[in-house]
Amino acid sequence: QQQVKQSPQSLIVQKGGISIINCAYENTAFDYFPWYQQFPGKGPALLIAIRPDVSEKKEGRFTISFNKSAKQFSLHIMDSQPGDSATYFCAASMDSARQLTFGSGTQLTVLP
Amino acid sequence: KAGVTQTPRYLIKTRGQQVTLSCSPISGHRSVSWYQQTPGQGLQFLFEYFSETQRNKGNFPGRFSGRQFSNSRSEMNVSTLELGDSALYLCASSLVGTGGTEAFFGQGTRLTVV
Repeated sequence: QQQVKQSPQSLIVQKGGISIINCAYENTAFDYFPWYQQFPGKGPALLIAIRPDVSEKKEGRFTISFNKSAKQFSLHIMDSQPGDSATYFCAASMDSARQLTFGSGTQLTVLP
Repeated sequence: KAGVTQTPRYLIKTRGQQVTLSCSPISGHRSVSWYQQTPGQGLQFLFEYFSETQRNKGNFPGRFSGRQFSNSRSEMNVSTLELGDSALYLCASSLVGTGGTEAFFGQGTRLTVV
């Protein structure tokens, strides 16, 4: 019930392309859905987050799409750049970001 | 504004020993959470402290414990280390303990148990 399933495990995209990472959850009590970016040797850094009262949120090249009825959310990275190459984690929590349940991660490689 | 600081960055311990990791949150942040990151299990929640009280705990054995001080700095302790405890331990701080606020992570402490 607490699991967050993330796909794909790895993704290779050409520079300028769109990267799409998907997550699905089971626990309908989750009310906060952030995405984190992690570079090797670094801690995860918050990219963008959404709450279930909106279906989409955009910040720069990063967009979260949220489908409450399907219990799915996704991250779209527009105009992907080599510098975006990193591991991306979706997460979910109930009642703030205090206890995050993470997906398994997606290793994104953007080819120059 | 300084970020979340974790010390030490790297640690090598022997099976059976104990270890203490430290986390200094962002100034003004009172909630501190700890996570374990391994290639096999991914990122898993250990526990969360707010105002020196543990409010949430993940599914880890009692060998894993923590505490928070009045200045919001936190420590986690692992006793009787096992090889499987080798991991990156991450600390995250949040501005307040309730309501949807962002969690900011430190760079982690890489623990290797030999």
